[in-house]
Amino acid sequence: EIVLTQSPGTLSLSPGERATLSCRASQSVSSNYLAWYQQKPGQAPRLLIFGASTRATGVPDRFSGTGSGTDFTLTISRLEPEDFAVYYCQQYGSSPPRTFGQGTKVEIK
Amino acid sequence: EVQLAQSGAEVKKPGESLKISCKGSGYSFTNYWIGWVRQMPGKGLEWMGIIYPGDSDTRYSPSFRGQITMSADKSISTAYLQWNSLKASDTAIYYCARHPSGFDRSPFDYWGQGTLVTVSP
Repeated sequence: EIVLTQSPGTLSLSPGERATLSCRASQSVSSNYLAWYQQKPGQAPRLLIFGASTRATGVPDRFSGTGSGTDFTLTISRLEPEDFAVYYCQQYGSSPPRTFGQGTKVEIK
Repeated sequence: EVQLAQSGAEVKKPGESLKISCKGSGYSFTNYWIGWVRQMPGKGLEWMGIIYPGDSDTRYSPSFRGQITMSADKSISTAYLQWNSLKASDTAIYYCARHPSGFDRSPFDYWGQGTLVTVSP
C-alpha cells in the first residue's frame, strides 16, 4: 500500500498570498496518477488536479500541480477567500487501495 | 448533468444492519466505476473500494474487506454500500464518487453529497 504524507498539516496565510502544499509518496506513483481535491466544511470533495498537473474542468488557473515519482506539489498562486479549505492528494496508479493523504488545511491568517 | 444522489442520514444501534444507496443520473451508469469513501468525524478521506456496475466487479481496500459489501443494480442506476453488523466505529460520512471512465485507474470526478451514518447504543 502506498502511503501519502502531506505537509504541512496546516498552512496559515492571508488572501493574495501564495500557498505551496506538498504530498510525498512512500513509493513511486505509477504514471504520475496523482490527484488533488479541495474540501470545504459540510461539502463533498471537489477534484482540482489529476495526472499530477492537469486541471479539472472549471478549475481556475491559479491552481497548479507539479511533481513526479514520489514528490508532488499543489500551488495556489494567489489565495482567494474561497480557497481556504482542506486539500487532499490521492494516488490512483497502484492496486487497491487508492490511498489519500491525510490532508492540509489552508486557513486564514 | 452528472449527478450522484445518496440516501439520507441514518441512526442505528451497534449490531444492526444497514444498506445505503447512491443513484447516478445524467450519464451511462453501467459503464463507469463507482467508489466509496469514508470520512470519520473531523478526519480525512479513506478509500474503501470500487464497483463496476456493468458486471459488479469489485475491488476492496484490505482495511474494509469483510466489513462491508458493495453492490449495484444497473436497472435502476444505483450502487449500494452494506453492513451486516454495525459498530460504533462505523460512525462517519460515506461518499460515493464516480471514476470518469471505464478505467478504474482514474480520479473521482463527481461525488455524491454524502450519507451520515451514526451508530450509537
